Amino acid sequence: KAGVTQTPRYLIKTRGQQVTLSCSPISGHRSVSWYQQTPGQGLQFLFEYFSETQRNKGNFPGRFSGRQFSNSRSEMNVSTLELGDSALYLCASSTVGGGPGGEQFFGPGTRLTVL
Amino acid sequence: GEDVEQSLFLSVREGDSSVINCTYTDSSSTYLYWYKQEPGAGLQLLTYIFSNMDMKQDQRLTVLLNKKDKHLSLRIADTQTGDSAIYFCAESSSGYSTLTFGKGTMLLVSP
Repeated sequence: KAGVTQTPRYLIKTRGQQVTLSCSPISGHRSVSWYQQTPGQGLQFLFEYFSETQRNKGNFPGRFSGRQFSNSRSEMNVSTLELGDSALYLCASSTVGGGPGGEQFFGPGTRLTVL
Repeated sequence: GEDVEQSLFLSVREGDSSVINCTYTDSSSTYLYWYKQEPGAGLQLLTYIFSNMDMKQDQRLTVLLNKKDKHLSLRIADTQTGDSAIYFCAESSSGYSTLTFGKGTMLLVSP
């Protein structure tokens, strides 16, 4: 069974631009979560989607948004990029979310650099 | 809010046991996890434990949970150089997907 895939793996943007990252979960998984990883703040939860609905949201500004499609693939968008948005963005999929049977499996991440 | 704390660095010799410690503050934590991250890679789930369990063993890995002190540890027996990585402790409550992570412990295994 294929794992979680994320595209692109690397991205370089300039301040003020917007970016869209994509995540394809493991087949059969309906929950997709996004995390931001930076050296200073560590891993922080962005949001979670389940069956095309945002089920939970972290403490990030409205410039960060996401969506999930009917095939469970998810995208996250960051508008008006700032230097501080440079990070590794990780996507995780699970069957229902949290706990056994819902363990979250992570993709390799998208490394975003904002210049 | 919830907080998860870990020591930042641990160095051991190949063949020794490694013990990585973690403390958390959320008393409603239901599940506690250990993840491994190698350079340039995502997070690999190593093991997890229910909050009503004291211990879980999985091959070379032993997880100990002291719920009273909100202390979690991961013991790796017969540590190998391939175990060198960053190890993250994480907790979730109520079975939801939101994971709160510690800052990670870098484990360095020397030959």
